[in-house]
Amino acid sequence: DAGVIQSPRHEVTEMGQEVTLRCKPISGHNSLFWYRQTMMRGLELLIYFNNNVPIDDSGMPEDRFSAKMPNASFSTLKIQPSEPRDSAVYFCASRVGVGNTEAFFGQGTRLTVV
Amino acid sequence: GQQVMQIPQYQHVQEGEDFTTYCNSSTTLSNIQWYKQRPGGHPVFLIQLVKSGEVKKQKRLTFQFGEAKKNSSLHITATQTTDVGTYFCAGAGAGGTSYGKLTFGQGTILTVHP
Repeated sequence: DAGVIQSPRHEVTEMGQEVTLRCKPISGHNSLFWYRQTMMRGLELLIYFNNNVPIDDSGMPEDRFSAKMPNASFSTLKIQPSEPRDSAVYFCASRVGVGNTEAFFGQGTRLTVV
Repeated sequence: GQQVMQIPQYQHVQEGEDFTTYCNSSTTLSNIQWYKQRPGGHPVFLIQLVKSGEVKKQKRLTFQFGEAKKNSSLHITATQTTDVGTYFCAGAGAGGTSYGKLTFGQGTILTVHP
């Protein structure tokens, strides 16, 4: 298995532009998480899905952020419009089931908004 | 909402010294997981604790889960330079809207001086 695949690995964009981050979870996994990592705030949970349904999006910073999971093999995190304070590493993670299983992380997308 | 606190934020040790990081949750957890992130990498699962008072060992690493299932610790005996990285605890919610939610602590950055 190729693991959790995220794209792009690096993204540099100008303030105000739309940014879309993509994630392909491990086949057969039915929980998916989006995290944002910064030095100041650590690993913040933005949103998580179970069976493609958003369960908790209380960590989404504001309306500029949106996430979708149209099917079991694909999820997107969109920022529109982007701001410099959105610069961070964004991780996607997936796991089997809902409870007592380990999460597998992708390599992350390093986003820089200038 | 569910919060997971982790201390210390940084720990610098000489090779051969012991290291401990502590994790506290604001709510009772279903289970707690520990992850390690190498510099520039992504979090990688180490272990999961499920039972109240559980203790697990992996070579020089000892993991404990508190009786109330709200706190945990990771202890490394005789650190080596290969132990360098950030250690995260992650609490899984026990019920309600928190069930399945995996909330990470701030992490402890460990540096080991040879």
